Amino acid sequence: DVQMTQSPSTLSASVGDRVTITCRASQSISTWLAWYQQKPGKAPKLLIYRASTLEDGVPSRFSGSGSGTDFTLTISSLQPDDFATYYCQQYNTYVYTFGQGTRLEIK
Amino acid sequence: DVQLVESGGGLVRPGGSLRLSCAASGFPFSTYSMNWLRQAPGKGLEWVSSISTSSDYIYYADSVSGRFTISRDNTKNSLFLQMNSLRVEDTALYYCARFDGGRSSFGLWGQGTLVTVSS
Repeated sequence: DVQMTQSPSTLSASVGDRVTITCRASQSISTWLAWYQQKPGKAPKLLIYRASTLEDGVPSRFSGSGSGTDFTLTISSLQPDDFATYYCQQYNTYVYTFGQGTRLEIK
Repeated sequence: DVQLVESGGGLVRPGGSLRLSCAASGFPFSTYSMNWLRQAPGKGLEWVSSISTSSDYIYYADSVSGRFTISRDNTKNSLFLQMNSLRVEDTALYYCARFDGGRSSFGLWGQGTLVTVSS
C-alpha cells in the first residue's frame, strides 16, 4: 500500500502568516492527491483535489502543488477560521490512505 | 439538501456485531461509489471499505478484511456496514462518504456514528 507522510505534525502560526504543509507518498501517485480540513467535532471537508484544483467555495488563499511523491498545501494568509487539522489523501490504488494529519495551532 | 446520515453505532462487547447504515439524499446515489471511513478518538482518518455503483467492486482495508461487509441498496439510497468479530481497536467514529470520481476524492461526508467496543 502507498504510505503518506505529512509534516509537520503540529504547526504554530499567527493570523496573516503564510504556512506550508507537506505530504510525501511512498511511491509515485501522479497527481492523485487531495487535501482535507477538519475542525473539532466535524467531518472532514474537501479543500483541494488532483493535487492543485480548489474545490468549489474554498477560499483562494488555499493552494496545492506537487506531483509524483511530493506535495504541498499552502495557506497564503492565515485567517482565524483556518486553525484546524489538515490531512492529505492519496488515490492511486483501490486502497485510499491518509497522512497522519497536521494540526495548525494559533501561536 | 445533499446529505449523508449515518446511524447504528453504539456500545458493543469485543467479539460482538453491529450494523451501520447511511441514508443518502439530494443526489443520484446509484451513480456514486460509496465508502466507509473511521477515526479513532484523537487519531487520524482511516479508510475502511468501498463499494462501486452496482456493487461489482468491493474493497476493504486489511485491518477489517474478513470481519466487515459493505453493501448498498440503490432502491433505498442506503449504504451499510456489517461489522462482526469486533475488537477494541475498532472503536471509532465511522463516517459514510461519497467518492467523487472526477475529483478522485471524498466530496461529501456524513456526520459520523460512534462505535465503542469495550467489555
